[in-house]
Amino acid sequence: EPEVTQTPSHQVTQMGQEVILRCVPISNHLYFYWYRQILGQKVEFLVSFYNNEISEKSEIFDDQFSVERPDGSNFTLKIRSTKLEDSAMYFCASSERDTKTQYFGPGTRLLVL
Amino acid sequence: AQSVTQLGSHVSVSEGALVLLRCNYSSSVPPYLFWYVQYPNQGLQLLLKYTSAATLVKGINGFEAEFKKSETSFHLTKPSAHMSDAAEYFCAVSVQGAQKLVFGQGTRLTINP
Repeated sequence: EPEVTQTPSHQVTQMGQEVILRCVPISNHLYFYWYRQILGQKVEFLVSFYNNEISEKSEIFDDQFSVERPDGSNFTLKIRSTKLEDSAMYFCASSERDTKTQYFGPGTRLLVL
Repeated sequence: AQSVTQLGSHVSVSEGALVLLRCNYSSSVPPYLFWYVQYPNQGLQLLLKYTSAATLVKGINGFEAEFKKSETSFHLTKPSAHMSDAAEYFCAVSVQGAQKLVFGQGTRLTINP
């Protein structure tokens, strides 16, 4: 059964460093998403991506964040200068269409020290 | 704007007992509703979804949920709890034309032997 994969599973970084989180969505899906879950809090939407551009983003997704689909399979989230409050579990998801079910990856746990 | 409220951050039931996890939503337009489950150290797995077809929706692992428009609810039930059901359960809402999922805060289900 096809699934969304994410790498790395865990990442520890120093405050101010850049991090790139990687995702491989399900191959025939067209919509891609990033969510995050700060420990003990809700899963929060960050951004959606379709047709090589951002289609929707939340207030959380400020200039420190960017997304890219560098090739036909990968979908990345970059945080340019990490802050302590960026520590969270980051989930990638994909769907066939915007109203179709979103399938989530296992997440990347990011710890900023 | 859509929102989701899950009543009870922790629910504990005995093995074999009924599981009832409550979810109420707020939406000005007909919603799509989802239940996801998160097992320890894993990602979000879709349990079931409501997308304006039958109001009683059956999902995986014996779970089902009923959409009640008059009560703006989408409670999750399972007739007989199993130890393997111990996990965190998230209710989420989206609407046609919007891509993001809005999640509730989650309910941690504990099963007592």
